Amino acid sequence: ETGVTQTPRHLVMGMTNKKSLKCEQHLGHNAMYWYKQSAKKPLELMFVYNFKEQTENNSVPSRFSPECPNSSHLFLHLHTLQPEDSALYLCASSQEREGFNTGELFFGEGSRLTVL
Amino acid sequence: KNQVEQSPQSLIILEGKNCTLQCNYTVSPFSNLRWYKQDTGRGPVSLTIMTFSENTKSNGRYTATLDADTKQSSLHITASQLSDSASYICVVESRWSNYQLIWGAGTKLIIKP
Repeated sequence: ETGVTQTPRHLVMGMTNKKSLKCEQHLGHNAMYWYKQSAKKPLELMFVYNFKEQTENNSVPSRFSPECPNSSHLFLHLHTLQPEDSALYLCASSQEREGFNTGELFFGEGSRLTVL
Repeated sequence: KNQVEQSPQSLIILEGKNCTLQCNYTVSPFSNLRWYKQDTGRGPVSLTIMTFSENTKSNGRYTATLDADTKQSSLHITASQLSDSASYICVVESRWSNYQLIWGAGTKLIIKP
């Protein structure tokens, strides 16, 4: 139990569906992240929210839309995805301090997404 | 270009044996280096974070070393156990790029009884 909970753990969707991934952290952290992990590839940072403000968006296609309603919850809205978007989507949180290195990341168990 | 290379890609050893995983990086300017353990189908878990001034850091049977001059790190696992079977990922942070951790592709370690 890492203190970061992701739902659903597994999701299968068609290319025309709309679905959402949810992440909740119980650690009192002030930053949350979405990462994409494809087979045998390094983790790719998608979005970062620090103090609820989106601070990073690594050129992610608009079919992925993040939402951070408060510092404990993070969503990833999915719309008209492609088969190559099939991957493990990981949520993480950390405690950030101005002027310091990125804090230790605590990851959820991931949501395994399959796009048909 | 900032890169993190890990070797070997995969490794199989017998339970009880020791092993060493390697990480070479070209990230500059260097801020810190991290090792994560990722069990199959689960999220990564932090093992250690090393800054420029740290040469060695231990976490139980895991010992990480860092040579900032040659830009190399290693993760040594002593007396391996079946539960050590996982992917081990090396991650480097640059001092000037907030949140931009450079991730390696990982070494998949399999421990056989």
